[in-house]
Amino acid sequence: DAGVIQSPRHEVTEMGQEVTLRCKPISGHNSLFWYRQTMMRGLELLIYFNNNVPIDDSGMPEDRFSAKMPNASFSTLKIQPSEPRDSAVYFCASSFGRQLATNEKLFFGSGTQLSVL
Amino acid sequence: AQSVTQPDIHITVSEGASLELRCNYSYGATPYLFWYVQSPGQGLQLLLKYFSGDTLVQGIKGFEAEFKRSQSSFNLRKPSVHWSDAAEYFCAVGARYSSASKIIFGSGTRLSIRP
Repeated sequence: DAGVIQSPRHEVTEMGQEVTLRCKPISGHNSLFWYRQTMMRGLELLIYFNNNVPIDDSGMPEDRFSAKMPNASFSTLKIQPSEPRDSAVYFCASSFGRQLATNEKLFFGSGTQLSVL
Repeated sequence: AQSVTQPDIHITVSEGASLELRCNYSYGATPYLFWYVQSPGQGLQLLLKYFSGDTLVQGIKGFEAEFKRSQSSFNLRKPSVHWSDAAEYFCAVGARYSSASKIIFGSGTRLSIRP
């Protein structure tokens, strides 16, 4: 298995532009997580899905952020409009987890380094 | 809600020396506990996890961790570090009895290896 695949690896954009990050989870995994990593705040959970349904989006910073999972093999995280403070590494992770299971191993992608100028 | 603290931001040890990275958690019961490692430019990889039973757990790459309920700690250890162990290490906590099924990560400890 290729693991969790994220694209792009790097994204540089100007303030106000729309940014879309993509994730393909490991086949057969039914939970998907989006994390954001910054020096100041560490690794923060933004949202997670179970069986393509958003379960908890309380970590999404504001309405500029949205996430979708149209099917079991694809998810997007969109920022519109983007701001410099959104600059961070965004990780997608998946697990073969039941809903509400917090004992599952997470498999992380390599991340997307986002720079908003 | 659970929380996790990694008090050391950056640690430097000599190659071949022993290592201990500290992790303290806050939770009303025994949580699920994890250690992940992140190499530069990469995602996180699970080193080991504790759910129940033997409080000393073995992981990959020669790492082990010991759960100490009395100290609310889950410190990561390795008897002899290698240069390839230089990375960022994250302790994580999962709630055992909660409808909030989040895994919370600590702020990380960056490990540097002195030749």
